[in-house]
Amino acid sequence: RKEVEQDPGPFNVPEGATVAFNCTYSNSASQSFFWYRQDCRKEPKLLMSVYSSGNEDGRFTAQLNRASQYISLLIRDSKLSDSATYLCVVNMRGTSYGKLTFGQGTILTVHP
Amino acid sequence: EAGVAQSPRYKIIEKRQSVAFWCNPISGHATLYWYQQILGQGPKLLIQFQNNGVVDDSQLPKDRFSAERLKGVDSTLKIQPAKLEDSAVYLCASSLNPTSGETQYFGPGTRLLVL
Repeated sequence: RKEVEQDPGPFNVPEGATVAFNCTYSNSASQSFFWYRQDCRKEPKLLMSVYSSGNEDGRFTAQLNRASQYISLLIRDSKLSDSATYLCVVNMRGTSYGKLTFGQGTILTVHP
Repeated sequence: EAGVAQSPRYKIIEKRQSVAFWCNPISGHATLYWYQQILGQGPKLLIQFQNNGVVDDSQLPKDRFSAERLKGVDSTLKIQPAKLEDSAVYLCASSLNPTSGETQYFGPGTRLLVL
């Protein structure tokens, strides 16, 4: 079983749609969680951290369910510029040295 | 603030040749990471440095890959000899303080094609 699993998609949605991505992780001792965004032929960039209480940043909402070892990202009112690969990222090491483990990524294409 | 710099941006070599990549992290960032990203996959950590010491190299194929960060700033990653399956993007990242919530900042990557 992969340490971090995501549905690779692709997800093709029209502008204005709401889309949700899911991610599961295998290590119950994982400490922290993130969503990174990677544009085509670019480097990954932090989109948002994921907190146990859930958190929102504009049109983006991230949620964490520790009991189910499940992370989600919801994008409302999709824009063409949201087209990218969304990487689910888990800090697998609970020490002072963070080790990020990346999922495969979910490809999103928003069309007019 | 300058970001993570990497060079070269692209490299094409034949199998069994050697290649080296260079990374200059964000100023003041003690932790430096090298990742390998194969097409269609997420980045995979190869090696992590804290200053000039190795924290984690468990996924580094040590028979052919080596990395160093001699003065705790710049780093080089070398592959010798290269195999076809080494074709990938090699990403360098750095972070100020690798606590559980610290963001890693990535460089633009070096795209390697092994023929």
